[in-house]
Amino acid sequence: GNSVTQMEGPVTLSEEAFLTINCTYTATGYPSLFWYVQYPGEGLQLLLKATKADDKGSNKGFEATYRKETTSFHLEKGSVQVSDSAVYFCALSVKTSYDKVIFGPGTSLSVIP
Amino acid sequence: NAGVTQTPKFQVLKTGQSMTLQCAQDMNHNSMYWYRQDPGMGLRLIYYSASEGTTDKGEVPNGYNVSRLNKREFSLRLESAAPSQTSVYFCASRRRELPPTDTQYFGPGTRLTVL
Repeated sequence: GNSVTQMEGPVTLSEEAFLTINCTYTATGYPSLFWYVQYPGEGLQLLLKATKADDKGSNKGFEATYRKETTSFHLEKGSVQVSDSAVYFCALSVKTSYDKVIFGPGTSLSVIP
Repeated sequence: NAGVTQTPKFQVLKTGQSMTLQCAQDMNHNSMYWYRQDPGMGLRLIYYSASEGTTDKGEVPNGYNVSRLNKREFSLRLESAAPSQTSVYFCASRRRELPPTDTQYFGPGTRLTVL
């Protein structure tokens, strides 16, 4: 079946550090891949997405590249800020059923000044 | 434009009590969803409604019922709450009409504790 695995947290970084959150997936066919972010006390919101192999999604300084050969979609940011403290969820949906989104367990990120 | 709204924000129930969680969206989306979020498990789909008048079970439907009241509103009911239903509940919606989008829009959540 379809599944998403992402690195366990929590992750604590100093401001301006480089961030990588690993995400790998298992899916039949060619899924769409997402990163959602949940700020404290809020619902999830889409951070970025990619719909086909080698696509790069980017938003707010975050980037992730759809790697079909390694079935990965790692999230990166060159210089994190305190305001990036949140929980990050990797997710996938197969194009035949956008109703069935599979979420990873989430990675909590804390950025300290 | 409020997006997806949920009420209440917090609720404490005793085992065996019932309650309904309300969700509404003003984006004219056809599809709506109910998830629960538990530590270390991400979000799991409880029920969804692909369009007005239809509902389908998700991954963890036991103990819950839903009603798609109209295009805007999708409610989740716990008939007899159990401590295992202590969780944070999120409602979401998605545009299904052409062109369809694969992005879901989430409400702020309801934090439910069952004692």
